[in-house]
Amino acid sequence: DAGVIQSPRHEVTEMGQEVTLRCKPISGHDYLFWYRQTMMRGLELLIYFNNNVPIDDSGMPEDRFSAKMPNASFSTLKIQPSEPRDSAVYFCASRRTSGGNEQFFGPGTRLTVL
Amino acid sequence: QQQVKQSPQSLIVQKGGISIINCAYENTAFDYFPWYQQFPGKGPALLIAIRPDVSEKKEGRFTISFNKSAKQFSLHIMDSQPGDSATYFCAASWGGNTPLVFGKGTRLSVIA
Repeated sequence: DAGVIQSPRHEVTEMGQEVTLRCKPISGHDYLFWYRQTMMRGLELLIYFNNNVPIDDSGMPEDRFSAKMPNASFSTLKIQPSEPRDSAVYFCASRRTSGGNEQFFGPGTRLTVL
Repeated sequence: QQQVKQSPQSLIVQKGGISIINCAYENTAFDYFPWYQQFPGKGPALLIAIRPDVSEKKEGRFTISFNKSAKQFSLHIMDSQPGDSATYFCAASWGGNTPLVFGKGTRLSVIA
């Protein structure tokens, strides 16, 4: 059974470029979460979806960040334009309503903005 | 306040020793308290979780102790092994439909 799939695993880009991170949640899961992890701030929740609908995006740091979930099996997190302070590991996680509160995390995307 | 405060930031324990990580919360509505384990290059994974109707839960060498009145919970790793070296996160949520709120993590190193 495949877990949460994220791509790319590593992304190196230059300041000002657009970055798109991708996530495929576990089949049957109806919640999807995007987190950002840094040494200074730990794991920060950016946004989460329920049944493809954004529920809370209050953690999105700036208008440069946007997230979509066009269907139950795919979500994107976009940063445009990217800045060096966006460098972090971005995690996608999913869970299902009937599965308790356990969230299943993907392997993460390590983003470096030069 | 939706915070979970975790300590210490880092911990070094001798092989065979006991590792103890503590968390405190403020929101009395929290009713689910998991601990996640993260190895380098991997995403966090659920290790053990507890609900406030019990004061302790044990799974193998891992035990959660929960103190509802003090609004604190802790993770104890007995007979710590080098393979336990990882970052540990406490978290909390409530109601079943809210996202987890994570502590900032504790980096555990178990040395031989």
